[in-house]
Amino acid sequence: EADIYQTPRYLVIGTGKKITLECSQTMGHDKMYWYQQDPGMELHLIHYSYGVNSTEKGDLSSESTVSRIRTEHFPLTLESARPSHTSQYLCASSESDGQGNTEAFFGQGTRLTVV
Amino acid sequence: KNQVEQSPQSLIILEGKNCTLQCNYTVSPFSNLRWYKQDTGRGPVSLTIMTFSENTKSNGRYTATLDADTKQSSLHITASQLSDSASYICVVSDRGSTLGRLYFGRGTQLTVWP
Repeated sequence: EADIYQTPRYLVIGTGKKITLECSQTMGHDKMYWYQQDPGMELHLIHYSYGVNSTEKGDLSSESTVSRIRTEHFPLTLESARPSHTSQYLCASSESDGQGNTEAFFGQGTRLTVV
Repeated sequence: KNQVEQSPQSLIILEGKNCTLQCNYTVSPFSNLRWYKQDTGRGPVSLTIMTFSENTKSNGRYTATLDADTKQSSLHITASQLSDSASYICVVSDRGSTLGRLYFGRGTQLTVWP
């Protein structure tokens, strides 16, 4: 098991609420990622970070925001949740082996339902 | 456009049988290819990694092959078990960016019946 944790595992929340999905890793990885995954579909990168105070948007446009104040912590925030935000959110961190080979370690995911 | 295509989309087999999952990719420049297993409601877990120079790699009952010329990979599962029921995702990494971009297939949903 990789040392990367997401909370909560499941969240049902009303439209318009502000939510923060937590992600922490204890492996000391500089690179961290947030992916969005709908059932039966591929993972889409929505945010990534190369290190502290570094955040970038991914391929899939998202109304969420992220922050990276500490190496181990990469929370994702939705200021005003909408039903279209209903999805599974996966956090990952990665390391390279010095030969350009990247392995990503994933958290268990947060299943978000906005009603 | 960098893409990863997997087939079949879903597969049902009986316990004890073998199966093979396919992955075709167009990612360039290629760095490596990984197969991940994703149980329902959980995050993906890496099974194998294949670099450009490797043709085959085994991890227990899982054997992955890579043909870098045709840009195809396969994952062979031997003597399937009920616990093999999961989504198997092919992930290709490029060498052309500092991010070490990961390109994901949609996965093959494998169901093993007793």
